[in-house]
Amino acid sequence: AQSVTQPDIHITVSEGASLELRCNYSYGATPYLFWYVQSPGQGLQLLLKYFSGDTLVQGIKGFEAEFKRSQSSFNLRKPSVHWSDAAEYFCAVGARGYGNKLVFGAGTILRVKS
Amino acid sequence: GAGVSQSPSNKVTEKGKDVELRCDPISGHTALYWYRQRLGQGLEFLIYFQGNSAPDKSGLPSDRFSAERTGESVSTLTIQRTQQEDSAVYLCASTSGQGKSPLHFGNGTRLTVT
Repeated sequence: AQSVTQPDIHITVSEGASLELRCNYSYGATPYLFWYVQSPGQGLQLLLKYFSGDTLVQGIKGFEAEFKRSQSSFNLRKPSVHWSDAAEYFCAVGARGYGNKLVFGAGTILRVKS
Repeated sequence: GAGVSQSPSNKVTEKGKDVELRCDPISGHTALYWYRQRLGQGLEFLIYFQGNSAPDKSGLPSDRFSAERTGESVSTLTIQRTQQEDSAVYLCASTSGQGKSPLHFGNGTRLTVT
């Protein structure tokens, strides 16, 4: 069965420090990969997506993610975190042949300390 | 409207009562999803509508849950004989295409069953 794992439930980083949020997936097909962010009191917003081609994708707000097929991973990174990045981040995976059913990870809550 | 609209934003109901949640997708979006987000957990897929095709109901947790959508417009999610474990945020999302198209989420309906 398809699954998405975000191993870290909570992460705390200092403002200005670098960030990496982990995402591992299990899929029987070439995946489509997404990262969404959910800020307090707001709906989910797409940060970035990967379908094919260059495995390093750039998103909004200075985020990037790298698809590593050999590791079944799609980790989200940001070189310098801002206090406004505090939110919950969700990795999601879909695939051709699985319709449009996106499977989401459990989320990682990011706290930023000043 | 410009985004996905869900109503009500909050609903408190007594155990055993029926509730109906509404979702207005972005105009022109052919696909519509319902997800459930329990406290501290990821998004749980419930049901997916694509155009006039038969909906994918594989995520509905029990026969107390049902959903309808007329054409490419409003969708309603109905929960009959609510139970306390139904307490969650119910998220609706719409998208314009298949597989690769990102989802646009509403702000959700927070359901509390007392």
